[in-house]
Amino acid sequence: DVKVTQSSRYLVKRTGEKVFLECVQDMDHENMFWYRQDPGLGLRLIYFSYDVKMKEKGDIPEGYSVSREKKERFSLILESASTNQTSMYLCASSPGGGRWEKLFFGSGTQLSVL
Amino acid sequence: DAKTTQPTSMDCAEGRAANLPCNHSTISGNEYVYWYRQIHSQGPQYIIHGLKNNETNEMASLIITEDRKSSTLILPHATLRDTAVYYCIVRVAWSNYQLIWGAGTKLIIKP
Repeated sequence: DVKVTQSSRYLVKRTGEKVFLECVQDMDHENMFWYRQDPGLGLRLIYFSYDVKMKEKGDIPEGYSVSREKKERFSLILESASTNQTSMYLCASSPGGGRWEKLFFGSGTQLSVL
Repeated sequence: DAKTTQPTSMDCAEGRAANLPCNHSTISGNEYVYWYRQIHSQGPQYIIHGLKNNETNEMASLIITEDRKSSTLILPHATLRDTAVYYCIVRVAWSNYQLIWGAGTKLIIKP
């Protein structure tokens, strides 16, 4: 069965800390995505990657960066965490080659920044 | 970018068909309609998508009106495990990677 695994289900960090959220997929998908989900705001795209070492900004990239050194792994980095980055973070992947319609999501990481 | 409008919440009796409507009156000719659902504390799950023809898979059926301005997701025999938030999404035409997510419909299946 296809799987997108996020390294932590819950994470608590302090303001100013550097935070790494890790995501691994085992489906050999080209595309990977990071979303955040907040009550009343739905899912918003932070960054996506369509190939190793390639990335593009989504709707809300400010305060975030990403890294994709290997095809199966896509990391979201909060350079200096702030309280307004408290949120549910969802990683997703999809096949490349025009078969990107179907997104597979991980279970999410609930990040609290204190 | 085409936007979608869905009811905030709906109830359905267990075993009955759940019909979830979605309005996308500004959809353009090359935009697909997607449905995902999110069960509490989980990531969204893909259900189905279509362009203009009706579609059916093992989870649901998708009925798109002829003018493509609205669609209906049908869960033929709803179970308690179908309680979730259901998202109707239209793909952004200019970007191959973006899906615009609305607030969705909270579907509650009642025993």
